[in-house]
Amino acid sequence: QSMLTQPPSVSAASGQKVTISCSGSSSNIGDNPVSWYQQVPGTGPKLLIYDNDKVPSAIPDRFSASKSGTSATLVITGLQTGDEATYFCATWEASLSLVVFGGGTEVTVL
Amino acid sequence: EVQLVQSGAEVKKSGESLRISCKAPADTFASFRISWVRQRPGQGLEWLGTIDPSGSYNNLRPSLRGSVTMSVDKSINTVYLEWTSVKSSDTAMYFCARTHLTYYELFNWFDPWGQGTQVTVSS
Repeated sequence: QSMLTQPPSVSAASGQKVTISCSGSSSNIGDNPVSWYQQVPGTGPKLLIYDNDKVPSAIPDRFSASKSGTSATLVITGLQTGDEATYFCATWEASLSLVVFGGGTEVTVL
Repeated sequence: EVQLVQSGAEVKKSGESLRISCKAPADTFASFRISWVRQRPGQGLEWLGTIDPSGSYNNLRPSLRGSVTMSVDKSINTVYLEWTSVKSSDTAMYFCARTHLTYYELFNWFDPWGQGTQVTVSS
């Protein structure tokens, strides 16, 4: 059971928007930065967001994220078929001194 | 573009020893910690541990202590993950990743990731 809770799946039509939540606690998200990763089937994870809301230069600005309290949110706008992947959040868990990942959210483009 | 290059796929029998590797560019090796992340078949990502190539930091997931070790060979800019006796539950894809830290030297983000090493353990 992951310490960060994500919905198992979300879906939307091409061109629409999806929102993926990542819920934690005061000992992880509440006190530490969150990063997000995209994993396309058959490939390794790729960094999408770092430091809660910063987007690497190689990532399209259709991807954005935010953090509030003990939860974080990833938003994908203008959904494309290439966005079909599993998305993971991650942060530091201070009570155990280890890195924790969310269980992952599979995005389907209808 | 920074690349972490991992060793090739491994097929082992239960009880055998195993070492997989992750080679980083020299400047990455000098300035960043490297972490290992496991992904069992059909499962999510699980952090295994983080090591500083300088030898100043080596943090392994508590459940793995005693069964897995992380080590470094500075002469060839390579980090290792090693088992003395693998089990079928070690069957997974293993990724290494350059680890970025906060001002307080805690985990911040992973980037880039290696291409992954598939480990298959049969009984």
